[in-house]
Amino acid sequence: GNSVTQMEGPVTLSEEAFLTINCTYTATGYPSLFWYVQYPGEGLQLLLKATKADDKGSNKGFEATYRKETTSFHLEKGSVQVSDSAVYFCALSPYTGGFKTIFGAGTRLFVKA
Amino acid sequence: DTGVSQNPRHKITKRGQNVTFRCDPISEHNRLYWYRQTLGQGPEFLTYFQNEAQLEKSRLLSDRFSAERPKGSFSTLEIQRTEQGDSAMYLCASSPDRGRSTNEKLFFGSGTQLSVL
Repeated sequence: GNSVTQMEGPVTLSEEAFLTINCTYTATGYPSLFWYVQYPGEGLQLLLKATKADDKGSNKGFEATYRKETTSFHLEKGSVQVSDSAVYFCALSPYTGGFKTIFGAGTRLFVKA
Repeated sequence: DTGVSQNPRHKITKRGQNVTFRCDPISEHNRLYWYRQTLGQGPEFLTYFQNEAQLEKSRLLSDRFSAERPKGSFSTLEIQRTEQGDSAMYLCASSPDRGRSTNEKLFFGSGTQLSVL
């Protein structure tokens, strides 16, 4: 079946540190891949997406590249800020089998000043 | 764009009682989804509507759960005979209908936190 596995948190970094949050997926065909972010007290919102192999999604300094050969979609940011503290969810939408989006368990990020 | 609205924000109930949640999606969005999220986990898909038609239900959705979307606008999720295991955040999301596209982003509400005592 379709599933998403992401690295466990929490991840604690100092401001301006480099961030990587690993995400791998299992899916048939060619799913679309997403990163959603949930800031404290707010609903989930889309951070970035990629719809085909080798696509790079980017937003607010975050990037992730769709790697079909390794079934991965790792999230990276070169220099994190305190305001990036949130929970990050990797997700996929299967190419077939309906329109539901499947989420990973989430990775909580704490950034210290 | 006023966003996805969910009511109530919090609901505390006793085991065995029925509860109903409401979701108002973004007005032009035809697709509406319900998810459940427990502490430390990602959202789990429950059900999906295309306009007023309920097109998919997860096996997680027991017979005690029912969802409706009359007239293809707002939706309600009812849980009958609540159990302590039903305690969770219930999330609603909507998205526009762009045919067969599977890469549309979801717009989430802030959720309804259910606590069953």
